[in-house]
Amino acid sequence: EDQVTQSPEALRLQEGESSSLNCSYTVSGLRGLFWYRQDPGKGPEFLFTLYSAGEEKEKERLKATLTKKESFLHITAPKPEDSATYLCAVHISGNTPLVFGKGTRLSVIA
Amino acid sequence: GAVVSQHPSRVICKSGTSVKIECRSLDFQATTMFWYRQFPKKSLMLMATSNEGSKATYEQGVEKDKFLINHASLTLSTLTVTSAHPEDSSFYICSARVLRNEQFFGPGTRLTVL
Repeated sequence: EDQVTQSPEALRLQEGESSSLNCSYTVSGLRGLFWYRQDPGKGPEFLFTLYSAGEEKEKERLKATLTKKESFLHITAPKPEDSATYLCAVHISGNTPLVFGKGTRLSVIA
Repeated sequence: GAVVSQHPSRVICKSGTSVKIECRSLDFQATTMFWYRQFPKKSLMLMATSNEGSKATYEQGVEKDKFLINHASLTLSTLTVTSAHPEDSSFYICSARVLRNEQFFGPGTRLTVL
C-alpha cells in the first residue's frame, strides 16, 4: 500500500533554531513529491515539487531535498511567521490523486 | 501564476438547503480538479476527483448524491452540498492539477449548517 509518513507530528523551535522535517514514503512509483504549507483556516500553499533523487530546491529559509526513500524540508534560522503545518504529498502515477502525509505542525517561538 | 480561487469563502445556511461552491483556475486550464474536506486540526480528506467533461470519481464513503460535482469547463468545477445538515459543516478545499502534475489549492470554503 502506498504510504507517506511525516515526522515529527509537531515541532517547537526557538526563533533562529534551524531544524528539519521528514517525509518518508513507500510507493509503487514516484512522479513527484510535493511540499505545502498550510495556515489555519486556509488552503495549502504550494512550496516545492521534487521529481528525482538528489534534487534540491530552495526558497527563502526553506530547502527541500529528495532521496529514493524520503524527503527533508530544512528550515534555516526560522522566524515566528514560519509557524504553520507543513504537508508532504506524493504523486504516484497518471491522474491519481496525491497521497498526503498527516503533516508536521511547526511552532516558532520568538 | 497558478492561482485557484473558491467562492464563497464562507457560507452559513439552514439545514435542508443546498449550497454550491465554485472552484476556478484563474490563469491556467485544469483538466483535473480535486475536492477535499478538512476537519479542525485534521488532515485533508479527498472527496472526489473531477475531470472536465466526465463524471467525477468519488472516494469510498462519499455520497455522490449528497455531494454533486460538476466540471463543466477547463477552468471551473463546482461542488453542491444537497440538503445540507449540521454534520456537513466543514472546511471544503479544491485543487487543480497543472503542468508536470503540480497541484495548486484554493483558499477553502467554510460551510456552517445551522
